[in-house]
Amino acid sequence: DAGITQSPRHKVTETGTPVTLRCHQTENHRYMYWYRQDPGHGLRLIHYSYGVKDTDKGEVSDGYSVSRSKTEDFLLTLESATSSQTSVYFCAIGAFRSGGIEQFFGPGTRLTVL
Amino acid sequence: GEDVEQSLFLSVREGDSSVINCTYTDSSSTYLYWYKQEPGAGLQLLTYIFSNMDMKQDQRLTVLLNKKDKHLSLRIADTQTGDSAIYFCAVAMSDKLIFGTGTRLQVFP
Repeated sequence: DAGITQSPRHKVTETGTPVTLRCHQTENHRYMYWYRQDPGHGLRLIHYSYGVKDTDKGEVSDGYSVSRSKTEDFLLTLESATSSQTSVYFCAIGAFRSGGIEQFFGPGTRLTVL
Repeated sequence: GEDVEQSLFLSVREGDSSVINCTYTDSSSTYLYWYKQEPGAGLQLLTYIFSNMDMKQDQRLTVLLNKKDKHLSLRIADTQTGDSAIYFCAVAMSDKLIFGTGTRLQVFP
């Protein structure tokens, strides 16, 4: 299994509070991604990174920011959490291989915003 | 942008074949993928197919690609209870993947 960990695995917070989720990899992959998974929507890309300090927006980036100061860590921040951000968040790492951009996923973080 | 569609549910009897379907809109996609998600876990890459291929077989898994109709399917032969999961198709757009909504496969005895 690809070496990807996410922390915390579960979090309950209140509306208006800041929240930071961490993704850590030991594979030295260049690409890292943050997705959210919601029923009926599948996985939607929030932000991704193609190198240290290089990030770009995904499909649902409003209300989220990211930072990548080291190859191994990719942080997702909700500056002021809202109930609509209750979701399961997945981090993925990616590398170009024989199968194109192959992505490998972490175990997920379940976030509940009350 | 790219749109990837899947039916939400599929129920099959153990030992039968399962066919999970996916349609997409952007014909420039180079690679197409199938991922499996078991309860409480992240997604696991099952297989992929390059866009110049029509079919790819990997043990019990067969992927069929119809580029003209922009249709991708995953066939699981001899479906087992351990195959119960959510299956996602995904299409590559440069360095990103666009995922479908996922199909929940339920296998009953």
